[in-house]
Amino acid sequence: DAGVIQSPRHEVTEMGQEVTLRCKPISGHDYLFWYRQTMMRGLELLIYFNNNVPIDDSGMPEDRFSAKMPNASFSTLKIQPSEPRDSAVYFCASSMTGSYNEQFFGPGTRLTVL
Amino acid sequence: SQQGEEDPQALSIQEGENATMNCSYKTSINNLQWYRQNSGRGLVHLILIRSNEREKHSGRLRVTLDTSKKSSSLLITASRAADTASYFCATEETSGSRLTFGEGTQLTVNP
Repeated sequence: DAGVIQSPRHEVTEMGQEVTLRCKPISGHDYLFWYRQTMMRGLELLIYFNNNVPIDDSGMPEDRFSAKMPNASFSTLKIQPSEPRDSAVYFCASSMTGSYNEQFFGPGTRLTVL
Repeated sequence: SQQGEEDPQALSIQEGENATMNCSYKTSINNLQWYRQNSGRGLVHLILIRSNEREKHSGRLRVTLDTSKKSSSLLITASRAADTASYFCATEETSGSRLTFGEGTQLTVNP
């Protein structure tokens, strides 16, 4: 298996622009997680899905952030409009029911908002 | 606030020495996991210990869990330069499927 795939790996954009991050989980995994990592706040859970349904989005910072999972093999995290404080590394991870929530992480997307 | 808190924040040792990192947490858990993150990469799962277990081994890794003290330790024996990375503990609370990560310990193993 190729593991969790994220794109793009790097994104540089200007304040006010829309940003879309993409994730393909490991085939057969029914949980998908979006995290944000910064030096100041560490690794924060933004939202997670089970069987494509959002279960907990309490970590989504504001209405500018939205996430979707239209099918079992694809998820997006959108920021609109983006702000400089959104600059961070965004990780997608997936896991499988019955695995004690052992999570497999993608390589991350480094987002820089100028 | 972070569920898990690692101690120390940074650790520098010589190759061949053992490295010990500690993690404390606040609520009841189903399990506790340790992850490694190399610079610029995603996290990689190392080892999981369930709440009814007290000690677990995997290769050069040894994890202990003390639920009465709400703490865990990760021991890496005979460290290598390639062990240089950040190490995070993560707890799965009894209330749900999410993991809560600590702030991490930056380990540097000098050759």
